[in-house]
Amino acid sequence: GAVVSQHPSRVICKSGTSVKIECRSLDFQATTMFWYRQFPKKSLMLMATSNEGSKATYEQGVEKDKFLINHASLTLSTLTVTSAHPEDSSFYICSARALAKNIQYFGAGTRLSVL
Amino acid sequence: QKEVEQNSGPLSVPEGAIASLNCTYSDRGSQSFFWYRQYSGKSPELIMSIYSNGDKEDGRFTAQLNKASQYVSLLIRDSQPSDSATYLCAVEGVGGTSYGKLTFGQGTILTVHP
Repeated sequence: GAVVSQHPSRVICKSGTSVKIECRSLDFQATTMFWYRQFPKKSLMLMATSNEGSKATYEQGVEKDKFLINHASLTLSTLTVTSAHPEDSSFYICSARALAKNIQYFGAGTRLSVL
Repeated sequence: QKEVEQNSGPLSVPEGAIASLNCTYSDRGSQSFFWYRQYSGKSPELIMSIYSNGDKEDGRFTAQLNKASQYVSLLIRDSQPSDSATYLCAVEGVGGTSYGKLTFGQGTILTVHP
């Protein structure tokens, strides 16, 4: 149990395009999902917290207009990187917090490369 | 600023030995603690969660928590080369805007050599 599906696993795109990443909890409901970013040889950096039915809350320094988050249901959250630039290239990872549990389960991650 | 600090690595142990990973945290009110394993290029995988003082064992893994000392550790017995990975200590926030959020340590790279 506790499977979180994230796709795509890898994206290569041109500068200026937008990229959407999906995060789904497959066998449990998640009122809260989190989006992280990880640079090489660094730890995970929380970008935003996504709550079902409400606006996402962003960590300090994260541009909300750049990283659009939608949490439309208890099993799906999406992150859209708008007008991507090479500096947005990174490993993006989502996690889902199981309802009635305080454990975060992670998706497999999306490696974004912006040319 | 809530902080989580892990012992600096990398840590190298021979196959079959015990690997000891340590973590301290700054928020005295923290109640939930996690160890994740991350292989290169992959996302974190939960190994252990611990919420009460003392030891919690699961197979070759033992997590130890001491809230008075604000210290949590992970022991890996009979280390195997497949245990070679980065180990992340994470502490869950308890109040206000930190509720439910994980703060990660910087990670300790473990290498188990045959």
